[in-house]
Amino acid sequence: NAGVMQNPRHLVRRRGQEARLRCSPMKGHSHVYWYRQLPEEGLKFMVYLQKENIIDESGMPKERFSAEFPKEGPSILRIQQVVRGDSAAYFCASQVGGRTQETQYFGPGTRLLVL
Amino acid sequence: KQEVTQIPAALSVPEGENLVLNCSFTDSAIYNLQWFRQDPGKGLTSLLLIQSSQREQTSGRLNASLDKSSGRSTLYIAASQPGDSATYLCASATGANSKLTFGKGITLSVRP
Repeated sequence: NAGVMQNPRHLVRRRGQEARLRCSPMKGHSHVYWYRQLPEEGLKFMVYLQKENIIDESGMPKERFSAEFPKEGPSILRIQQVVRGDSAAYFCASQVGGRTQETQYFGPGTRLLVL
Repeated sequence: KQEVTQIPAALSVPEGENLVLNCSFTDSAIYNLQWFRQDPGKGLTSLLLIQSSQREQTSGRLNASLDKSSGRSTLYIAASQPGDSATYLCASATGANSKLTFGKGITLSVRP
């Protein structure tokens, strides 16, 4: 059973471009969380999704950021018109059923660098 | 709003020492508390998960305790080894959605 997969592992974008980050949860997991780790900061929750539903997006910036988890395929975190402040490591985590008794399993992260 | 604090930010110990990593949180209404390990440039590996109804969990040389009333958790590492060198993060789950609030981590260096 493969772990949580994220790609690309490293992404370089120029200011104003779009960044698309992909996360494939563990097999059998239908809940995905996205977190962002800014330099010298702890991980911060961004968004929580189930298949075809955004459950909680309270941690996501209101503009330029969007997330989806379609019925088929990976979860996508999309950042439009990137700025230097978006440079960070973006981690996704998956969970079987979203219950508090369950561990979240993290992917290796995508490290975004905005030039 | 939950705040999780880990002090100190960095720790260096000689190999073989038993050590305790501390974590404090402001909102005691947590569902669980988790400890993770993060190696440089890598993702997070879950070490231990303590449910709110539990006091401690053990895995090998690791033991984590939880005291909700005082808002504290500790991770005890017995007989530390150089391979234990990493950043250790604690995170609490509050709210039914299980989203995690993380501390900034403690970077541990175990000297041979």
